[in-house]
Amino acid sequence: DTGVSQNPRHKITKRGQNVTFRCDPISEHNRLYWYRQTLGQGPEFLTYFQNEAQLEKSRLLSDRFSAERPKGSFSTLEIQRTEQGDSAMYLCASSRPLTSGGHTDTQYFGPGTRLTVL
Amino acid sequence: AQSVTQLDSQVPVFEEAPVELRCNYSSSVSVYLFWYVQYPNQGLQLLLKYLSGSTLVKGINGFEAEFNKSQTSFHLRKPSVHISDTAEYFCAVSPTRGFGNEKLTFGTGTRLTIIP
Repeated sequence: DTGVSQNPRHKITKRGQNVTFRCDPISEHNRLYWYRQTLGQGPEFLTYFQNEAQLEKSRLLSDRFSAERPKGSFSTLEIQRTEQGDSAMYLCASSRPLTSGGHTDTQYFGPGTRLTVL
Repeated sequence: AQSVTQLDSQVPVFEEAPVELRCNYSSSVSVYLFWYVQYPNQGLQLLLKYLSGSTLVKGINGFEAEFNKSQTSFHLRKPSVHISDTAEYFCAVSPTRGFGNEKLTFGTGTRLTIIP
């Protein structure tokens, strides 16, 4: 496995601009997660996909945020009309299909995309 | 809903000394428990996890943690730390079943600094 990759690693944008981040999960991981981490805090769940289906969205994910995983492989997270409060590290994680025992499998995290909104 | 409390935001420790990082959780349902480590400018890496069975869990890099259900705690320990252990450590939980059981809820993290 090459690990979860995220691009870009850093993004600086002006308030009001749109930004898009990409996440490539570990191959054959059917679950993909997005988290947001602000300074001094732990990661907070945003949304997750099983294959191409988006199964849950946090209330943190306002209407300006949209995530897609069109072919069940890579995912994109778009933020429209960025605000200074959107400045954070955006983390992506992936996991394998659940075992028959129902145990939640380990989530493997990417290095994150650090967004700075000026 | 679940919540995780890491009371110590920063812990300085001398090299080769033991360390304990505290984690307490609150949940109305059974949970799985995790410790992740985050090195500067990197993503999170799993140190260890408790799913069931023995309450003492051993992880990578010489770390271990003990699940205490009555005290709703999952403290992380290492008998002798090294400079390379300097990092941010996050405790996390997820429900064992039900809708949303894949979602991790994290604490605010503990910054471990090793003093030479």
